[in-house]
Amino acid sequence: AQSVTQPDIHITVSEGASLELRCNYSYGATPYLFWYVQSPGQGLQLLLKYFSGDTLVQGIKGFEAEFKRSQSSFNLRKPSVHWSDAAEYFCAVGAAGTYKYIFGTGTRLKVLA
Amino acid sequence: NAGVTQTPKFQVLKTGQSMTLQCAQDMNHNSMYWYRQDPGMGLRLIYYSASEGTTDKGEVPNGYNVSRLNKREFSLRLESAAPSQTSVYFCASSDLAGGPLDTQYFGPGTRLTVL
Repeated sequence: AQSVTQPDIHITVSEGASLELRCNYSYGATPYLFWYVQSPGQGLQLLLKYFSGDTLVQGIKGFEAEFKRSQSSFNLRKPSVHWSDAAEYFCAVGAAGTYKYIFGTGTRLKVLA
Repeated sequence: NAGVTQTPKFQVLKTGQSMTLQCAQDMNHNSMYWYRQDPGMGLRLIYYSASEGTTDKGEVPNGYNVSRLNKREFSLRLESAAPSQTSVYFCASSDLAGGPLDTQYFGPGTRLTVL
């Protein structure tokens, strides 16, 4: 069955530090992968997506993610975190042949000043 | 261009009451979705509509009904609310013809509490 795992429920980093949020997926075919961010009290906003080509994907707000097929991972990274990055981050996989996303359970990021 | 709008923002119901959550998008998108978000469970799809006139069940449809009123509007109805339906509800829409590659655009959510 298709699934998405975000192993870290909470992550705390200092402002200016680098960030990596983990995402692992289980999927039988080529996955279509997404990262969304949810600021407090807001809906979800797309950060980036991958479906083919270059395995390093650039997104908005200085985020990037790398698709590693051998590890079934799609980790999100940012070289220097800003206080405004504090939010909840969701990894999702698009289910081929349907209109559905499968979301991970989310990682809540706290940024220390 | 407001994107995806949802009403109401907050609602408190008593067990057994009914209500309809409204969603509208002004991006001329074909596909629309209803999700619920619960702590530690991410977002789960309740119903979706791939195009005007069609609706399909998602992962957790029990206790809900939907109506795709026109291309812009997609409503979610709780006929007899239960405490297990306490959640944050998000509506989303996507462009193109729907499918796993589409970016979904989310509304701000409705926080529903059922007592």
